[in-house]
Amino acid sequence: TQLLEQSPQFLSIQEGENLTVYCNSSSVFSSLQWYRQEPGEGPVLLVTVVTGGEVKKLKRLTFQFGDARKDSSLHITAAQPGDTGLYLCAGAWGNNAGNMLTFGGGTRLMVKP
Amino acid sequence: GAVVSQHPSWVICKSGTSVKIECRSLDFQATTMFWYRQFPKQSLMLMATSNEGSKATYEQGVEKDKFLINHASLTLSTLTVTSAHPEDSSFYICSAKKGPQGNEQFFGPGTRLTVL
Repeated sequence: TQLLEQSPQFLSIQEGENLTVYCNSSSVFSSLQWYRQEPGEGPVLLVTVVTGGEVKKLKRLTFQFGDARKDSSLHITAAQPGDTGLYLCAGAWGNNAGNMLTFGGGTRLMVKP
Repeated sequence: GAVVSQHPSWVICKSGTSVKIECRSLDFQATTMFWYRQFPKQSLMLMATSNEGSKATYEQGVEKDKFLINHASLTLSTLTVTSAHPEDSSFYICSAKKGPQGNEQFFGPGTRLTVL
C-alpha cells in the first residue's frame, strides 16, 4: 500500500495571510491531484500535475510538483474566508490497475475574517 | 463537463435494513467508478473499484457481501449496504473516470447514511 503524507492536518489563519500545504510520498507519483472539499459535499478537483518540477496557478493558488515527483505543495496567497475547507492531495503510482488514487489525510483550513 | 450525481443525498434507516446508493455520470461514460467512505473529519478511504460489466475489486478489509456493487452500465454504479448497522453510518462518495487513460476522478456530492 502506498502512503501519502499530508501536512499540516489543521490550519487556522487570518484573512490575508499566506499558507502552504505539503504532500509527500517515498514513491514516485505518476500523477497527483489536489482537491477541495466542503462539508457535506464531494471533493472538487483543483489541479492535476504530472511532470516533475511543474508549477500550475489557479488564481491565488499555486501548485508545485517536486522534481523527483515524490512531493507536491499547494500555496495560497492572501487567503480568504471562502478558501475554508478540506484540501486533499491524491496520488497515483506506476501503472496501477484501474488507476486508483490514494488520498492523503487532508488539511483542514479555516480562514477567519 | 464531468458531472457525477448521487442519489439519495442522505438516508436514515433502521438497523438490519439494506440501503442502495446510486452513482451516475451525467455527461460522460465512465468505464471505471470508485466508491469511497469518509468518516467525520477524516480523509477518503477507497472501498472498491467498479468496472462496467465486471466484478468490483474490493480493498482489503471491505466485506464484499456487505457492500454489494453493481456497475451495470457506463453511466451507473450502485452500492448496496446490506443489513446495515449503526457502525455503517458514514458519508459515502462515488467517483468516476472519463476514460481508461489518466488518473483524474470526478466526484459525486456524496450520500450521508445514518443507521439507527
